[in-house]
Amino acid sequence: AQSVTQLGSHVSVSEGALVLLRCNYSSSVPPYLFWYVQYPNQGLQLLLKYTSAATLVKGINGFEAEFKKSETSFHLTKPSAHMSDAAEYFCAVSKSGGYQKVTFGTGTKLQVIP
Amino acid sequence: DARVTQTPRHKVTEMGQEVTMRCQPILGHNTVFWYRQTMMQGLELLAYFRNRAPLDDSGMPKDRFSAEMPDATLATLKIQPSEPRDSAVYFCASGLGLAGGGNEQFFGPGTRLTVL
Repeated sequence: AQSVTQLGSHVSVSEGALVLLRCNYSSSVPPYLFWYVQYPNQGLQLLLKYTSAATLVKGINGFEAEFKKSETSFHLTKPSAHMSDAAEYFCAVSKSGGYQKVTFGTGTKLQVIP
Repeated sequence: DARVTQTPRHKVTEMGQEVTMRCQPILGHNTVFWYRQTMMQGLELLAYFRNRAPLDDSGMPKDRFSAEMPDATLATLKIQPSEPRDSAVYFCASGLGLAGGGNEQFFGPGTRLTVL
């Protein structure tokens, strides 16, 4: 079964600083990987996804993530944090091939300090 | 623009009462998911449907929960009888069930359920 582990349930960064949210996955077959963002009192929305094309994936709002098979990681980064980035971020994994359900991580709340 | 809608947005009820939550998936999407989110358990998949047929409801307590898709524009999640431990935010999501996987899920705004 596939799973993801998000390191750090809470991360604080200063406005303008680098954002790094960590995600490690476990999958017996090549995975599809996702990052979703949840703003307060809203549903989740997709930031970006990896589907075995380029290992560096660019998403919305200036975020990107790099798939590293050797490290089984898919960390999310943004060069410069903005106040509007404060939200909860979820890493997720599904198996490739056919339609597979998605398994979500436990989430990381990002606080941006002015 | 196309969105998943959920009703009601908030529900407060007493233990033992029946609760029905409704979801309208995005037109054309053939997969529908029900999730429950709590502080303690995070985001849990309760059930999902493809082309209105249930594919997996292993995450759902069978004795009190039921999920159906009467038609392509409506998905329902029922709890009967409700218990205080069911208090959570329930999300519906829909997507295009394309072969090959990697499909994005589009989430609704959620139903916040409080069972007293």
